[in-house]
Amino acid sequence: GQQLNQSPQSMFIQEGEDVSMNCTSSSIFNTWLWYKQDPGEGPVLLIALYKAGELTSNGRLTAQFGITRKDSFLNISASIPSDVGIYFCAGQLSGAAGNKLTFGGGTRVLVKP
Amino acid sequence: DGGITQSPKYLFRKEGQNVTLSCEQNLNHDAMYWYRQDPGQGLRLIYYSQIVNDFQKGDIAEGYSVSREKKESFPLTVTSAQKNPTAFYLCATRLGATEAFFGQGTRLTVV
Repeated sequence: GQQLNQSPQSMFIQEGEDVSMNCTSSSIFNTWLWYKQDPGEGPVLLIALYKAGELTSNGRLTAQFGITRKDSFLNISASIPSDVGIYFCAGQLSGAAGNKLTFGGGTRVLVKP
Repeated sequence: DGGITQSPKYLFRKEGQNVTLSCEQNLNHDAMYWYRQDPGQGLRLIYYSQIVNDFQKGDIAEGYSVSREKKESFPLTVTSAQKNPTAFYLCATRLGATEAFFGQGTRLTVV
């Protein structure tokens, strides 16, 4: 099925740093969603984007819906230890049957030793 | 308490057994989805249902079956035909084309 390319696959953060991750696709999406998943738990919605160019913040998180509708990024400012986890992007293709979502492979955020 | 309830949280299956994972929601969402997650991987769609008494196969439906007899419930059966069932299973719901909300997941292990 349709794949979303999410990068980086993993990253190390130091408290106070800003971090960024993104998702790209060769197809046009009409919805972008960003989730965080803690070990052994279900993903929790962070930010939802519905319009090309839309820039939305949720506390220290900021996400944008790319103007081409083929990409999205998520920024975390001033990271803290509880930001550790796996972040997933999810997109809905225009006209997707059943409003199905396609998920990226995830970005694993770890703390620098 | 509103939300999505998956049970059990942990499930062990012997070779050749069928097991059923429960997903119940009280969000009044029409659409429900089952995903499979393998270690270090993203989510892959198994089955989905947009309305009661109707469901469609996702990308990896082989070895799985579902039913949607009530709006609130979308159980997933992992059959003996699924050769590699050990995984984390996630149920989600959506209202139209808005955000998807997830349950807490069921970890299935073959013993």
